[in-house]
Amino acid sequence: DQQVKQNSPSLSVQEGRISILNCDYTNSMFDYFLWYKKYPAEGPTFLISISSIKDKNEDGRFTVFLNKSAKHLSLHIVPSQPGDSAVYFCAASAVHNTDKLIFGTGTRLQVFP
Amino acid sequence: GAGVSQTPSNKVTEKGKYVELRCDPISGHTALYWYRQSLGQGPEFLIYFQGTGAADDSGLPNDRFFAVRPEGSVSTLKIQRTERGDSAVYLCASSRGQGAYGELFFGEGSRLTVL
Repeated sequence: DQQVKQNSPSLSVQEGRISILNCDYTNSMFDYFLWYKKYPAEGPTFLISISSIKDKNEDGRFTVFLNKSAKHLSLHIVPSQPGDSAVYFCAASAVHNTDKLIFGTGTRLQVFP
Repeated sequence: GAGVSQTPSNKVTEKGKYVELRCDPISGHTALYWYRQSLGQGPEFLIYFQGTGAADDSGLPNDRFFAVRPEGSVSTLKIQRTERGDSAVYLCASSRGQGAYGELFFGEGSRLTVL
């Protein structure tokens, strides 16, 4: 049972435009959400996170939005750059188990010139 | 180096053999995690250490898998009687522990291929 779902396996966006990556979750106990970015042959790297007490968190070109009622979060990248091309993983943790991250299957983003 | 180091980077073995994968975390990080990533999937939690003890091993798939961290630093993931389904990239991560809020620092992984 996939508790964290990324239904779009890939996304292609033109440089300078906005990239929107989506993530849905099923476990109502999740209260902390993160996005990780992964380049080929490298480990995932932390990008941005959001607590369930917020609905938005922004860090430079990256913004994460959380809609708790819909159990949905999204990552916005604006403007997109070719260096953003990577696989993006959504992850979630529960208040009673903050150190155990549950990851989605990832979305491969390609930003073309 | 300053990051999480994993060895070997690649391991090819035959079905039924024993394998050890090593992880050297970032100095000073008290928490250490093992994840497994199969093709087309996200990282799957295996086990988490806080110090020397396994705080949560609920992700280990069966008793062929075992991990240790005897001195609270380096960890070894041990797989007995390997099966073809064990083929995956095994990722190690470390963090400051409590208060890290999921910000894990991952190594590059050990790619295991079981023939």
